[in-house]
Amino acid sequence: EVQLVESGGGLVQPGGSLRLSCAASGFTFSSYWMYWVRQAPGKGLEWVSLIYNVGDGTSYADSVKGRFTISRDNAKNTLYLQMNSLRAEDTAVYYCARAGDFWSGYFDYWGQGTLVTVSS
Amino acid sequence: DIQMTQSPSTLSASVGDRVTITCRASQTISRWLAWYQQKPGQAPSLLIYKASNLQSGVPSRFSGSGSGTEFTLTISSLQPADFATYYCQHYNNSPYTFGQGTKLEIK
Repeated sequence: EVQLVESGGGLVQPGGSLRLSCAASGFTFSSYWMYWVRQAPGKGLEWVSLIYNVGDGTSYADSVKGRFTISRDNAKNTLYLQMNSLRAEDTAVYYCARAGDFWSGYFDYWGQGTLVTVSS
Repeated sequence: DIQMTQSPSTLSASVGDRVTITCRASQTISRWLAWYQQKPGQAPSLLIYKASNLQSGVPSRFSGSGSGTEFTLTISSLQPADFATYYCQHYNNSPYTFGQGTKLEIK
């Protein structure tokens, strides 16, 4: 059974940093592109970032470019999102998601999400 | 960046109704479109990919169609479990943007 479990969310002050993790199981993690998607409270979904299966390619939404860094450890079956210079508008539930068809841009499995709150 | 626009934003319907949600892309995306369902407090779940391919385990009352810039999600006979919010998402190229969502409510 495919499982994605996020952790690392919490309350952080504006300008602070946080690192999210996503532990994957039930599939060959190193074969799939992986994604982060977020959802601000009461709002819609926003694609944040992607990383290729071996980590040799990444992409970011303009809203987080230069502040967030996606990475992965295929030996640990874990996806990460390092978030720096956090702003109030980064407050959201952050989901990790698996690429459909190994490297496609749609998401066939999602984690349950972890809440990040940026506030003083 | 490609913008995705869904209509309507809210839809009121009854159990047994046939409903259609529309998603328009600001430029052509071929058939690189997915649909998701999200219930309150839950992660989204994949319904349709590549415009019309039904994800495994999704009931056959859900169907998708379209290509280019205009797409539709149809539910042939609404069931109580279908009242939720629906999102389209293109994956033609990064950034992979979502529509703003359509909330399907019980009439």
